[in-house]
Amino acid sequence: RKEVEQDPGPFNVPEGATVAFNCTYSNSASQSFFWYRQDCRKEPKLLMSVYSSGNEDGRFTAQLNRASQYISLLIRDSKLSDSATYLCVGSSGSNYQLIWGAGTKLIIKP
Amino acid sequence: GAGVSQSPSNKVTEKGKDVELRCDPISGHTALYWYRQSLGQGLEFLIYFQGNSAPDKSGLPSDRFSAERTGGSVSTLTIQRTQQEDSAVYLCASSLLPREGEAFFGQGTRLTVV
Repeated sequence: RKEVEQDPGPFNVPEGATVAFNCTYSNSASQSFFWYRQDCRKEPKLLMSVYSSGNEDGRFTAQLNRASQYISLLIRDSKLSDSATYLCVGSSGSNYQLIWGAGTKLIIKP
Repeated sequence: GAGVSQSPSNKVTEKGKDVELRCDPISGHTALYWYRQSLGQGLEFLIYFQGNSAPDKSGLPSDRFSAERTGGSVSTLTIQRTQQEDSAVYLCASSLLPREGEAFFGQGTRLTVV
């Protein structure tokens, strides 16, 4: 089992809709989590950190459920420019490594 | 420069040749990571540097792969006797501290072995 798992998608969503996807992790020692965005043939870029209390940045909301060991990302009022692959990342508390999910592909359609 | 710089951006090489990939991290970033990404796949961890030391090389696919970092700055990833399965995008990232989630990535080196 991979340490960080994501539904690869693609999620095909009409513009303006709300979309949510989850990421599950297996290492209960993981302390920090992040969502990265990767556009086609581009490098990943940090979208937002995920805090235990949940956090919101504009149309994006991230939540962490430690009991069930999953992280979620919610995108409201989706835009065409939101089309990308969203990577879930966990940071182990015992070492330096960032553990990456394989990504969820999102396609926003007009 | 302001960001992580990688060179070359593209490299086509013949099977069996050696290649060297370079990464210039953001100034002051102590942590440096090398990843490999095949088309449509996730990131594959290769190696991590803390300063000039590489505490974990376990991600390197074979002994044909090696990496070094000098002066706590520039890093080079060397692939000897390249094989077709080495074709991928090689991404370098740096962060201010280890376990720091905000890793900044270079644009990658697209390696094609023919």
